[in-house]
Amino acid sequence: AQTVTQSQPEMSVQEAETVTLSCTYDTSESDYYLFWYKQPPSRQMILVIRQEAYKQQNATENRFSVNFQKAAKSFSLKISDSQLGDAAMYFCAYRSGPNSGNTPLVFGKGTRLSVIA
Amino acid sequence: GAVVSQHPSWVICKSGTSVKIECRSLDFQATTMFWYRQFPKQSLMLMATSNEGSKATYEQGVEKDKFLINHASLTLSTLTVTSAHPEDSSFYICSARPSGRGEQYFGPGTRLTVT
Repeated sequence: AQTVTQSQPEMSVQEAETVTLSCTYDTSESDYYLFWYKQPPSRQMILVIRQEAYKQQNATENRFSVNFQKAAKSFSLKISDSQLGDAAMYFCAYRSGPNSGNTPLVFGKGTRLSVIA
Repeated sequence: GAVVSQHPSWVICKSGTSVKIECRSLDFQATTMFWYRQFPKQSLMLMATSNEGSKATYEQGVEKDKFLINHASLTLSTLTVTSAHPEDSSFYICSARPSGRGEQYFGPGTRLTVT
């Protein structure tokens, strides 16, 4: 079974600085997808960024980017120019199979990010 | 786009009663929907996967007779907690995957309190 590990239960960053959240996963599959979700105090899960395993180029969404190292099975999230609104719990997630499949997401335990003004 | 609604957002019920939670994909069709439970300061725990028009697949340890899931259409799934007890109190989150897409979108969650 696939597993997702987030080794940093808590992180903090100064406003306007950059922070990197770590995520590693274990799988024997070649076709899969990786995601970062944000859960602010409202508890609404928000998709931050996605990465298809077959793509070598790292995904980027505005201030959010990933460092996808397929051989190392590592998928870290970099947040640049951190803002107070970035404070949240961040979950790394893995999904196997093609888009048409109904396989569920496998979540890590999460990293709580605090942003210091 | 890709909005998932969930209703109610908060419900309090008495022990022994049943509660129904609705999950709707508002601007897309979802062949597959997922139900999660989240305890405070923990990750999401998958309860079941439902496909439109077929029976839900429950995760190990989840009582299918207690947590009834119906995925009646491509935009609606319901979770009914039957004969609720205080230990069923939790935060329940639904999620929907647009047909043919890889990502999932989540509803805002329902906080259930059983007294």
